[in-house]
Amino acid sequence: GENVEQHPSTLSVQEGDSAVIKCTYSDSASNYFPWYKQELGKRPQLIIDIRSNVGEKKDQRIAVTLNKTAKHFSLHITETQPEDSAVYFCAAISSGYALNFGKGTSLLVTP
Amino acid sequence: EAGVTQFPSHSVIEKGQTVTLRCDPISGHDNLYWYRRVMGKEIKFLLHFVKESKQDESGMPNNRFLAERTGGTYSTLKVQPAELEDSGVYFCASSRREDYGYTFGSGTRLTVV
Repeated sequence: GENVEQHPSTLSVQEGDSAVIKCTYSDSASNYFPWYKQELGKRPQLIIDIRSNVGEKKDQRIAVTLNKTAKHFSLHITETQPEDSAVYFCAAISSGYALNFGKGTSLLVTP
Repeated sequence: EAGVTQFPSHSVIEKGQTVTLRCDPISGHDNLYWYRRVMGKEIKFLLHFVKESKQDESGMPNNRFLAERTGGTYSTLKVQPAELEDSGVYFCASSRREDYGYTFGSGTRLTVV
């Protein structure tokens, strides 16, 4: 089955800096890669996703890149703000509709 | 539209007891999923319903877990008897047919003592 690795597990940045979270996957058949943000005690929320026929997608301060050859994808947050502090999960779908999640990255943005 | 609703939000039970979690998906969403996050680990897939049918239950840990989706609407996940290692946050999510875009519920935090 699919195995998703996510790094780093914790990340601390100063407000205004950029944050990058990286994930790798094992199944070359994976074709959908969402990123979820989970604030403390709240539900995971989809913040951006990318499909395997696209290399990069951007939405305001958030961007995701996908390298199918290397089987890795990354989340980039620019001009970070304290409200970006949360746990971020990457995921991949290889077959069916079941998401395979990474272990999460706890991002802390300090003012 | 109303979101995915889960009940209860928290549950503390003793080892050996039974607990039933409920999920109400977004109206019209045929796909319903259960996931679980054990402390500090990744969110893991448990099972997937399409309407009332179990499409994929490969993630169910053992036969102490029973999921149902009566009439293709809400779903329940029963744990009987509960063990200490069942503690974690149980998430439900739903999506439209042929749509990967999930909406998650807020989760049920289950603590087995």
